[in-house]
Amino acid sequence: DAGITQSPRYKITETGRQVTLMCHQTWSHSYMFWYRQDLGHGLRLIYYSAAADITDKGEVPDGYVVSRSKTENFPLTLESATRSQTSVYFCASSEGRTDTQYFGPGTRLTVL
Amino acid sequence: GENVEQHPSTLSVQEGDSAVIKCTYSDSASNYFPWYKQELGKRPQLIIDIRSNVGEKKDQRIAVTLNKTAKHFSLHITETQPEDSAVYFCAASMEYGNKLVFGAGTILRVKS
Repeated sequence: DAGITQSPRYKITETGRQVTLMCHQTWSHSYMFWYRQDLGHGLRLIYYSAAADITDKGEVPDGYVVSRSKTENFPLTLESATRSQTSVYFCASSEGRTDTQYFGPGTRLTVL
Repeated sequence: GENVEQHPSTLSVQEGDSAVIKCTYSDSASNYFPWYKQELGKRPQLIIDIRSNVGEKKDQRIAVTLNKTAKHFSLHITETQPEDSAVYFCAASMEYGNKLVFGAGTILRVKS
């Protein structure tokens, strides 16, 4: 589990500000994912990446941007944060498409 | 797209009793069904999964059953212990671990 980390762990920001959440994994996993967790909704996929420079939308991509220039990093950017983006964000990775997803420790984001 | 419903939302059992959590999915093309356990303030962790070519899978005190005709799958925990108290999430995917769609979660409380 220590192979996937997220930073910051807690973040408070204001509406309209840009925020970037970082995800780093040391396993050289091909696949990486971003989820948000809200009460009553479980975990919802925002974006995922099959490899460096390959990304695709999940269930709830609006308001988010991702990039993956290096295999080990998968940052998530909120270009103009809104209160509805207050949530806990989890990054995950898997070795291949058929493999278990391992989750990072999460980032709790509050948008005031 | 895929939709996963999970019941019950909360479940209280006495230590030593069994617990059953049920999920239904909408897309008959889904073929991978993992279960995740999330303790308070922690990351989700895979506890068991099942693929569409198998009807049942066991791992010590936990088991998962899959009924593809009815499009539902269930998690069974026997001889529950206080450390089983957590939130449990089911999920479904059409691509063996890629683009998981999660249920809303079940809070399991094991009373000692």
